[in-house]
Amino acid sequence: GDSVTQMEGPVTLSEEAFLTINCTYTATGYPSLFWYVQYPGEGLQLLLKATKADDKGSNKGFEATYRKETTSFHLEKGSVQVSDSAVYFCALPIDGTDKLIFGTGTRLQVFP
Amino acid sequence: NAGVMQNPRHLVRRRGQEARLRCSPMKGHSHVYWYRQLPEEGLKFMVYLQKENIIDESGMPKERFSAEFPKEGPSILRIQQVVRGDSAAYFCASSPPQGAAFFGQGTRLTVV
Repeated sequence: GDSVTQMEGPVTLSEEAFLTINCTYTATGYPSLFWYVQYPGEGLQLLLKATKADDKGSNKGFEATYRKETTSFHLEKGSVQVSDSAVYFCALPIDGTDKLIFGTGTRLQVFP
Repeated sequence: NAGVMQNPRHLVRRRGQEARLRCSPMKGHSHVYWYRQLPEEGLKFMVYLQKENIIDESGMPKERFSAEFPKEGPSILRIQQVVRGDSAAYFCASSPPQGAAFFGQGTRLTVV
C-alpha cells in the first residue's frame, strides 16, 4: 500500500545552517506530494506542494523537488532560522481523495 | 475567510465520560477529515465526511467513536466512554473537491 517514510529526528542545527529532511514514498500512480509544518502548540500548515514529477515546490525559503526516479521529496532550506524550529511532515493523498498519509514527522531544532 | 475552526482547543474528561469535538470547515469546503495525533507520532487518518455522508471511516476505532457532518452546523467527532488511551490531539481538515487540505489548530483531549 501507499506509504511515506521520513528521516527520524530530532535534527539539531545552528542558525544559518543548511537543512535537508529526507522523505521517500511508495504510491500507486503519481500523486501530489506535500510538506506540512507544525509549530509548537499549533495545527498543521501546508508548507509547499508539488503536483507532478520534476515539479519543485517552494515557500518561505524551503524547497522540495518531486523525484519520480528515486521516489523522493526531500525538504531543503539553505539557511535556517530559529523560527523554523517545528515538526515537519511529508504527506501524500491516497485513493484519489485528499485523505492524506503522513510520515512520522521530523522535529527540527535550530539554535542561535 | 476564516480558517478551519476547531473547538474546544483543550478538553479534559474523566474516564467514562463523553468527549465532543467540533470542527467548522473553511467557507466553501465540502470535505472534512479527522485525524488523530498520539504523543510523539504522526497524524493518522480517522474519517472522511461530506455533508450528511460518511465517505470513508476506515481509520475509526470500531467502538465508542462516531462522526457526523450535518447539513447545517459543524462536523462533530464523538468519543463515548473515554479511556486514557484516547488522550491525543485531534485535528480536523477541510478541502474543496480535489484541493489541498487546510488544518485546524486541533483539540487536545486529556483523559484523567
